[in-house]
Amino acid sequence: TQLLEQSPQFLSIQEGENLTVYCNSSSVFSSLQWYRQEPGEGPVLLVTVVTGGEVKKLKRLTFQFGDARKDSSLHITAAQPGDTGLYLCAGLWANAGNMLTFGGGTRLMVKP
Amino acid sequence: KAGVTQTPRYLIKTRGQQVTLSCSPISGHRSVSWYQQTPGQGLQFLFEYFSETQRNKGNFPGRFSGRQFSNSRSEMNVSTLELGDSALYLCASSFLDRAGRGEQFFGPGTRLTVL
Repeated sequence: TQLLEQSPQFLSIQEGENLTVYCNSSSVFSSLQWYRQEPGEGPVLLVTVVTGGEVKKLKRLTFQFGDARKDSSLHITAAQPGDTGLYLCAGLWANAGNMLTFGGGTRLMVKP
Repeated sequence: KAGVTQTPRYLIKTRGQQVTLSCSPISGHRSVSWYQQTPGQGLQFLFEYFSETQRNKGNFPGRFSGRQFSNSRSEMNVSTLELGDSALYLCASSFLDRAGRGEQFFGPGTRLTVL
């Protein structure tokens, strides 16, 4: 079974703080995606990383893909209440077509 | 473009019954995937359909089945419902590239409660 471990599961921080979410596997991904899901809605894609060592930035969000393509991180700078939500990483393996394997998710709450 | 739509949004059934959920993909998308989301297991892949054919299948019992129609709309069916089938069922549509991959756009889900 291919597993994606995401940590932490829960995070409650004050507005303005920084945070990092981690996504790890023992298997190599062909690509990894990060999603954000809000209550009553489906996940929305934030970014896709493909190349080992790749770093992508989306405003205050920074995504890194590990050199060996087995792990990834999401760093949020100066978190705001609008960042509150469920963050999910999802991996695509080379022999699995378009089938996504999701991590367990990180539920983030940013208090004003 | 309209997004992925799923019907119904909420459903309550009793054990032993069966249920059919519907998904209409984004216009032009021919790939539809289904996922189950529960607090304990998170998001798990059920199956993917492309051009009316099942391309991939997750590790779920045979009670879970699906199909896709010529207009790319998809349905999933769960027979002999169990309490553990209570979940949010998400549908995602994609426009696939030559490698058979593409960004997945998720619908809002169908919340199924089994009593």
